[in-house]
Amino acid sequence: AQSVAQPEDQVNVAEGNPLTVKCTYSVSGNPYLFWYVQYPNRGLQFLLKYITGDNLVKGSYGFEAEFNKSQTSFHLKKPSALVSDSALYFCAVRDLYGGATNKLIFGTGTLLAVQP
Amino acid sequence: KAGVTQTPRYLIKTRGQQVTLSCSPISGHRSVSWYQQTPGQGLQFLFEYFSETQRNKGNFPGRFSGRQFSNSRSEMNVSTLELGDSALYLCASSLASGTGGETQYFGPGTRLLVL
Repeated sequence: AQSVAQPEDQVNVAEGNPLTVKCTYSVSGNPYLFWYVQYPNRGLQFLLKYITGDNLVKGSYGFEAEFNKSQTSFHLKKPSALVSDSALYFCAVRDLYGGATNKLIFGTGTLLAVQP
Repeated sequence: KAGVTQTPRYLIKTRGQQVTLSCSPISGHRSVSWYQQTPGQGLQFLFEYFSETQRNKGNFPGRFSGRQFSNSRSEMNVSTLELGDSALYLCASSLASGTGGETQYFGPGTRLLVL
């Protein structure tokens, strides 16, 4: 079965420090991977995605993610955290078994808390 | 370009009632998907519509249904509401095909509370 795992329910980081939010995936074949962010009482906001090509993907608001096929990981990173980055982050993989579909399978989410 | 819009934003219903939620995708987007978000189950896929046809369905009871209109707008309906249906219902739209890594763009959601 396809799945993504976010092993940390919460990540705490001080403002100005680098941050990493972890994601590992389990799919057969080449994955399409996504990161979304959710602020309180809001929908999901797209950050970045990996389709193919360069393993380092750059996205919105200074975020980037590194695709690592050997470790089946797609960790989200940012060199310098801001208090405004505090939010709930979701990793997702596109369903590869459903034929032509945009269905996403989400991880459980990681709450990022950036302290001033 | 306007984003995905969902109406209503908040809804309170009682058990046994039915509810209809609406979603207007980004202009030009032909695929609309619905997700349910709850604290216990997280984000779960409900169904996806493309060109007025349901092309994928999640593992939800038949009380959950949806449809898509010729202008790509979509509605979902939940009949005989249960307390456990209280959730944030998110709609997402994307351009089309679903054969690659198209980005889905989400609306703000409809928060449903069932009393």
